[in-house]
Order: sequence, then C-alpha cells, then structure tokens
Amino acid sequence: DIVMTQTPLSSPVTLGQPASISCRSSQSLVHSDGNTYLSWLQQRPGQPPRLLIYKIYNRFSGVPDRFSGSGAGTDFTLKISRVEAEDVGVYYCAQSTQIPHTFGQGTKVEIK
Amino acid sequence: QVQLVESGGGVVQPGRSLRLSCAASGFAFNTLPMHWVRQAPGKGLDWVAIISYHGINKYYADSVKGRFTISRDNSKNTLYLQMDSLRLEDTAVYYCARDHDYLNWGQGTLVTVSS
Repeated sequence: DIVMTQTPLSSPVTLGQPASISCRSSQSLVHSDGNTYLSWLQQRPGQPPRLLIYKIYNRFSGVPDRFSGSGAGTDFTLKISRVEAEDVGVYYCAQSTQIPHTFGQGTKVEIK
Repeated sequence: QVQLVESGGGVVQPGRSLRLSCAASGFAFNTLPMHWVRQAPGKGLDWVAIISYHGINKYYADSVKGRFTISRDNSKNTLYLQMDSLRLEDTAVYYCARDHDYLNWGQGTLVTVSS
C-alpha cells in the first residue's frame, strides 16, 4: 500500500499569513495513464470533507484561488496564500493512483 | 447541484449486518465511479471501496474484504454498501464520494457497532 505522510500535523497560523502543508508518498503517484492522482481535501469542524485540489494543482469548482497545489512524483505541497478564519480545519492529501486508495494522517490548521 | 445523501446507519451488535445507501442527484450518476470512505470518531479518513460506473469492477480495502459489498443501481441513482459480520472497529461515519478524484461528498451516516 502507498503510505501518505503529511507534515506538519499541526499548523498554527496568523490570519492573513501564508500556510504550507507537505505530503510525501512512499511510491511515485504517476499512473500508467500519465496522470498523477493526488488530491487535497479540507474538513472543517463538524463537516464532511470537501475537495480543494485534484491531480496535483487543479482547483475544484468554487475553491478560492488562495489555495494552490504543486509537486510531482512523491512530493506535494498545498499552500494557502493568506489564511482566513474559514480555513480552520483538517487538511488531507489523498492518492487515487493505486488501489487501495490512501489518505495522509491530516494536518490541523488553526489560528494563533 | 450535486447532492449525495447517505442513509441506513445506526447501532448494531457485532456480527450483525447493515446496508447503507447513498442517493445521488444533480449529475450523470451512471457515468462515474463511486467510493465509500469512513472516518472513525476523532480519526482520519479511511478508504473502504470503489465501484466502476457500470458496477462491474469493485475493489475493497483489506480490512473489509469478504465482509462488505459495494453495489449500485444506476436506474435509481443509488450506491449501496452491504456490511456483514460487523466488528467494533467498523464504528465510523460512512461517506459516499463521487468520481475517481473524490469531487463531492455526502454528509455521512454514522454506524456504531456495539454490544
């Protein structure tokens, strides 16, 4: 199974400041079809997960442009350019390149 | 707009069965793969199963293989998860999610396995 490792596990940030979350996979996430199926999900307190980014850097419909994804192969990053109060929650990376699909442990973003 | 509504959760004793449903609307259900993902209380996300758009291909996490069955009825725009031989560790909120990249999620349904 592909292991997804996120760092940090907790990220206290100041409103208006940037935040960055790293995700590393134990194997390359490049699929045989040429795509890299790495997604980022946000889970606000008491809410279901919500897709932010898919295939490394594609923002899903309705996602603010302060969220961006980057990376390749086994190393990926989610960046929030200026954190807002509504960004508080847990962020997960997910790989859907290989069965079984796997998720990172989650990174808790909170306001300082 | 896209809607996914799970139902069927509840409290069940170990060894018993439960069937979850996920009613889909707002998109072409019969063209997309669908997932079940669960989340134990206070824990992270745990992928359970995926089914192809036509229902022929099904894959499972090792932890549920042989006990859970994913299925779909495209005429009813509904996804199912038949859960047999339930264990204490299956206690979780169960979510359905749309498409390979988890584009949309339902609100979830809570399954509690307890004696």
